[in-house]
Amino acid sequence: KQEVTQIPAALSVPEGENLVLNCSFTDSAIYNLQWFRQDPGKGLTSLLLIQSSQREQTSGRLNASLDKSSGRSTLYIAASQPGDSATYLCAVLRGSARQLTFGSGTQLTVLP
Amino acid sequence: SQTIHQWPATLVQPVGSPLSLECTVEGTSNPNLYWYRQAAGRGLQLLFYSVGIGQISSEVPQNLSASRPQDRQFILSSKKLLLSDSGFYLCAWRGGTSYNEQFFGPGTRLTVL
Repeated sequence: KQEVTQIPAALSVPEGENLVLNCSFTDSAIYNLQWFRQDPGKGLTSLLLIQSSQREQTSGRLNASLDKSSGRSTLYIAASQPGDSATYLCAVLRGSARQLTFGSGTQLTVLP
Repeated sequence: SQTIHQWPATLVQPVGSPLSLECTVEGTSNPNLYWYRQAAGRGLQLLFYSVGIGQISSEVPQNLSASRPQDRQFILSSKKLLLSDSGFYLCAWRGGTSYNEQFFGPGTRLTVL
């Protein structure tokens, strides 16, 4: 059974800092890994998707890496801003119907 | 472009009452559709998925059921709600040109009293 773990559970940083969020998964047989952002009371916004054959993806100030063999992914956020405050979720895609298994998330607070 | 709708946005229901949550997708055909639940203090859990009309698979046994009467419509139901059914219900779709990426709706906040 696939399990996804995110560390830390919560993180508070001052504005402008670079930061790293961690995600690990137990079964390396995945199709891809997706990072999401969730604002309080809202749905999920897809940030980055890394195919299983890729090592990293970049979008603006965000960079996600994937090491499938070790079951790890990181989300790097450069020059953090208060607007980055949200919960960040990683999820791995598995199964014939491409179901997502989610981690429990990292709640990020960027202080002005 | 594709969009996904969920309604209602918020719902407060007494224990033992029925439930019907609806999800529709626009701008794509034959999507895979998914229902997830996010309970307080817990992560997102896949409840049901559907690869086509009338085809429903359940990930966990529960008090809920799902149906897909049309290609782009996915319904989550219950005959009698339990307190433990409270949570944030999210519908998602996958398909089209972004084959391996899932996109989520705005969610329905269900409180069972």
